[in-house]
Amino acid sequence: EIVLTQSPATLSLSPGERATLSCRASQSISSYLAWYQQKPGQAPRLLIYDAFNRAIGIPDRFSGSGSGTDFTLTISSLEPEDFGVYYCQQRYNWPPETFGQGTKVEVK
Amino acid sequence: EVQLVDSGGGLVQPGGSLRLSCAASGFTFSSYSMSWVRQPPGKGLEWVSYISISGSTIYYTDSVKGRFTISRDNAQNSLYLQMNSLRAEDTAVYYCARVSGSSGYYFSWGQGTLVTVSS
Repeated sequence: EIVLTQSPATLSLSPGERATLSCRASQSISSYLAWYQQKPGQAPRLLIYDAFNRAIGIPDRFSGSGSGTDFTLTISSLEPEDFGVYYCQQRYNWPPETFGQGTKVEVK
Repeated sequence: EVQLVDSGGGLVQPGGSLRLSCAASGFTFSSYSMSWVRQPPGKGLEWVSYISISGSTIYYTDSVKGRFTISRDNAQNSLYLQMNSLRAEDTAVYYCARVSGSSGYYFSWGQGTLVTVSS
């Protein structure tokens, strides 16, 4: 089973600041990685797939990069609606597909 | 508009059973594989089960094998999860999710239904 480790666990930032979230895989997953955003009481929402492709309707302040074992989600300038929990997911070697434990982006 | 509506959750005693449903609309249900993903209270996401378009390919996470059964009815545009021998650690919000093509990511999710296993 491929383990995804996200860091940091919590990111405390102010609106307008840049957010950089990391996801590291226990073995190479090529570019088969997605990023999801989840707000309290809501289902997750797909932001990025195949490491760097934005899903339809996702603002361009969200960008993904990386391949192999190290991946990054960058939010160039945080908007108030961007605060929440972010998960990475791998679909390279499944089943089981796996998720990271999440990074909470909170208001500083 | 793609819509997935989860239902069937509730409070059940350990060892009990529950059947979750996911009603799909706004897309050709029979053209998509589907999955169930769960989230224990205050915790992260965990994939539970996958079913292919025709139902011929099915996978489960190890912790539910032999206890949970995924199925689908393409004529009724519905996905199901039969959960037997429930345990406290099965307590979670359960989401159905549409698997997108060959990439396998989840572009669409249900709103979730809460399953609580407690005496």
